[in-house]
Amino acid sequence: EIVMTQSPATLSVSPGERATLSCRASQSVSSNFAWYLQKPGQAPRLLIYGASTRATGIPARFSGSGSGTEFTLTISSLQSEDFAVYYCQQYYNWPLTFGGGTKVEIK
Amino acid sequence: EVQVVESGGDLEQPGGSLRLSCAGSGFSFSTYAMAWVRQAPGRGLEWVSGIGYSAGRTYYADSVKGRFTISRDNSQNMVYLQMHSLRAEDTAVYYCVKIAIGESYWYFDAWGRGTLVSVSS
Repeated sequence: EIVMTQSPATLSVSPGERATLSCRASQSVSSNFAWYLQKPGQAPRLLIYGASTRATGIPARFSGSGSGTEFTLTISSLQSEDFAVYYCQQYYNWPLTFGGGTKVEIK
Repeated sequence: EVQVVESGGDLEQPGGSLRLSCAGSGFSFSTYAMAWVRQAPGRGLEWVSGIGYSAGRTYYADSVKGRFTISRDNSQNMVYLQMHSLRAEDTAVYYCVKIAIGESYWYFDAWGRGTLVSVSS
């Protein structure tokens, strides 16, 4: 099983600031990698797939990078609606696995 | 508009059974793989099971293998998760999810609102 490790667990950021979230895979997943956002009481929503491609309707302030085992999600200027929990997922191999999540909170 | 809607969650005793249902609409259902992802209270996401668009291939997490069965009825645009031998650790919100591209790349571009399964005596 490929273990996905996200860091940090919690990130405190002021509105308008830049946020950088990390996810590490225990073995290479190539670019078979996605990011999701989950707001309280809601289902997750796809943000990024293929490590760097924004999903439909996702603003340009979200960008993904990386391949292999190291991945980064950058939010260039945090808006109020971006404070949420972010999950990474690999779809390179079975079983599909998620990271434990990074909570982005208001500083 | 793409929609997936789950139903069937309930309170069940340990050792009991439940069947979850998921209705898909707004997309060509029979050409997309589907899956179930769960989230225990206050916890992260866990993939549970997946099924190819023709139901020819099914996949399971080790935690549910042998107890859960995924199936689909393309004539009704439905996916099901039959759960047996339920355990307390199966307590979670169960999300039905659509795979974004056929059945080649298993990331999820549509999620239902979830249905709560509680296992307790």
